Amino acid sequence: QQQVKQSPQSLIVQKGGISIINCAYENTAFDYFPWYQQFPGKGPALLIAIRPDVSEKKEGRFTISFNKSAKQFSLHIMDSQPGDSATYFCAASMGSGGSNYKLTFGKGTLLTVNP
Amino acid sequence: EAEVAQSPRYKITEKSQAVAFWCDPISGHATLYWYRQILGQGPELLVQFQDESVVDDSQLPKDRFSAERLKGVDSTLKIQPAELGDSAMYLCASSLFRRGGEQYFGPGTRLTVT
Repeated sequence: QQQVKQSPQSLIVQKGGISIINCAYENTAFDYFPWYQQFPGKGPALLIAIRPDVSEKKEGRFTISFNKSAKQFSLHIMDSQPGDSATYFCAASMGSGGSNYKLTFGKGTLLTVNP
Repeated sequence: EAEVAQSPRYKITEKSQAVAFWCDPISGHATLYWYRQILGQGPELLVQFQDESVVDDSQLPKDRFSAERLKGVDSTLKIQPAELGDSAMYLCASSLFRRGGEQYFGPGTRLTVT
């Protein structure tokens, strides 16, 4: 059972464009939603995260939009740069039901930003 | 900048051999996680420690995998015997508090079983 569904699987954007990656979750008990960036051969790096009490969070060129009623959240990368080319993972966690806040990851989106 | 350390970075082993991975979390982080990441997929939790205690090992194949964090600091994940299907990236992560949230990952150990 995949609790976090991520799309698209891959994305190609021109330099300066906007990259948008979407995630949908099923479990309404999730209360923490981070995005991770992973370069080949490296571990995932925490990029930005949001909790359901806000609808949007912005850090530099990265913005998370959160829609609690639709059970969806998305990552927007403004002014995309070739250095942003990486795999992006959304994730979700909860502290209730004995889950101990473990992260459930989406399957990832391979972003390529062309110069 | 504090980082999670892992070793070795790469490991090639033959089927049925034993293999071990080591992780040193960020200093002061109480919670430590071991994840497995198959190529092209997101990480999946194998085991979670709070200090030296296991709080979740529901996805750990206990017939061949074991993990320990004896003094509540660094940790070792062992596979014995290794199988072809164990080829993957093994990631360690740590977080300051038990209340999840910001998990910081190490560089991982790429395991290839031949």
